Amino acid sequence: DADVTQTPRNRITKTGKRIMLECSQTKGHDRMYWYRQDPGLGLRLIYYSFDVKDINKGEISDGYSVSRQAQAKFSLSLESAIPNQTALYFCATSDNRGSNSYNSPLHFGNGTRLTVT
Amino acid sequence: SQELEQSPQSLIVQEGKNLTINCTSSKTLYGLYWYKQKYGEGLIFLMMLQKGGEEKSHEKITAKLDEKKQQSSLHITASQPSHAGTYLCGADIRGNKLVFGAGTILRVKS
Repeated sequence: DADVTQTPRNRITKTGKRIMLECSQTKGHDRMYWYRQDPGLGLRLIYYSFDVKDINKGEISDGYSVSRQAQAKFSLSLESAIPNQTALYFCATSDNRGSNSYNSPLHFGNGTRLTVT
Repeated sequence: SQELEQSPQSLIVQEGKNLTINCTSSKTLYGLYWYKQKYGEGLIFLMMLQKGGEEKSHEKITAKLDEKKQQSSLHITASQPSHAGTYLCGADIRGNKLVFGAGTILRVKS
């Protein structure tokens, strides 16, 4: 079983619909992240959470919201989907306990391919 | 604009040939990571470099960090079809957040 599981793997939705992407992890990591990937733009950070009570905006948080339901669960919501939110979305975790620097790598899920028509 | 620039954007090599991918930062690097991604799949962690001059190898892939040049290079020796994919570098250059390059697409011709 994957350590970082994203559901669904694929989703097609219509403009204006609210959707939720879910992420769960069995790695016991405190830090969780949501990224989107677009061709030619690489990965861009949407939101991140360093523990259950901590939520932070990334560089492209507009149009998105998140919920950290537990240490192991971090969900991403699109309140009203629009076509330019069509992308590949990744959840990731890391174990940087007690450190402000990245001294351990991010572990990624397999991604959710979202299409907004 | 990309804070981490990768070059080349893509390359096609003949099986057995060596190749190098570069990752250059406009800011000081506080640790650098290399990942590999198969099309449409998640990112697989390859290596982490934290000190200037550090060099790590995994099978036929070697990565080196040049802090003065704010650059890292990934070198593949005797490429194989299994090396094909997209290689991404990631680095902590803003303090507490990892940013990524746009990726380098590698195709290996048999």
